[in-house]
Amino acid sequence: DTEVTQTPKHLVMGMTNKKSLKCEQHMGHRAMYWYKQKAKKPPELMFVYSYEKLSINESVPSRFSPECPNSSLLNLHLHALQPEDSALYLCASSQGPRETQYFGPGTRLLVL
Amino acid sequence: AQSVAQPEDQVNVAEGNPLTVKCTYSVSGNPYLFWYVQYPNRGLQFLLKYITGDNLVKGSYGFEAEFNKSQTSFHLKKPSALVSDSALYFCAVRDGYSGGGADGLTFGKGTHLIIQP
Repeated sequence: DTEVTQTPKHLVMGMTNKKSLKCEQHMGHRAMYWYKQKAKKPPELMFVYSYEKLSINESVPSRFSPECPNSSLLNLHLHALQPEDSALYLCASSQGPRETQYFGPGTRLLVL
Repeated sequence: AQSVAQPEDQVNVAEGNPLTVKCTYSVSGNPYLFWYVQYPNRGLQFLLKYITGDNLVKGSYGFEAEFNKSQTSFHLKKPSALVSDSALYFCAVRDGYSGGGADGLTFGKGTHLIIQP
C-alpha cells in the first residue's frame, strides 16, 4: 500500500482567513514533504520533514507554517495568503531520505 | 545545483506505436532519477526510478527507461502506446551527493503525452 491521503480536496479562502491542510500516511515512512504546483508547471519543493524534524525550508514565506505532530501526519497552516498562492498543494512521503517519494492527490487551493 | 530538462512540451504518438519521452539531467554527484505521471486534477503517480545497477529500468504499466551516463539522459519508453497513456509526464532528479539527509526532488517542466486512436 502506497497511499498518501490529503484533506480537504478543495479549499477556497479569503486573504484574512486561517486554514490548515492535512496529510496522512500509514506506511511507516519517516520523511514527508510539501510541494506547491501552479497550473501547467512542475511541483516545487516547499518543506521537508525527516524523522519529524524540519530539515528543509525552501525560503517559503512565513504565511505558510508546516507542522509534523507525529510520524504519520503533516499539516500546513495557512494565514493571510495572497491570490498568487492559489495552487495545487501536494504532500509526499518516503520510507527514508533517499527512497521513492509517493504523492497524495493534492489540495487545490483558491485564495480570493 | 541539480536540474532536469524535458525538451518537448508535447509528444504525439499513434496508438500501438512505440513512444519516447526525453529527459536530461545535471547533478554534482550520482543521480537518483525518477519518472512520474500526472492525470488531470490528480497527484503524481510513481512510474519508475534509477538509483544504481542495470541501465534499463522497468516500471509500472509497461513503461521502461534507459539511463545513459555519458549523455546524462534518462528517456522514458514504451513499446506500444495506449490511449490511456495520455497524461503529463515528469522527470525528476535527486542528487545522490547531498549526504544522508532527506532531500526534495527537482522536476522537469513536464511533457504532455498525447496518444491518438
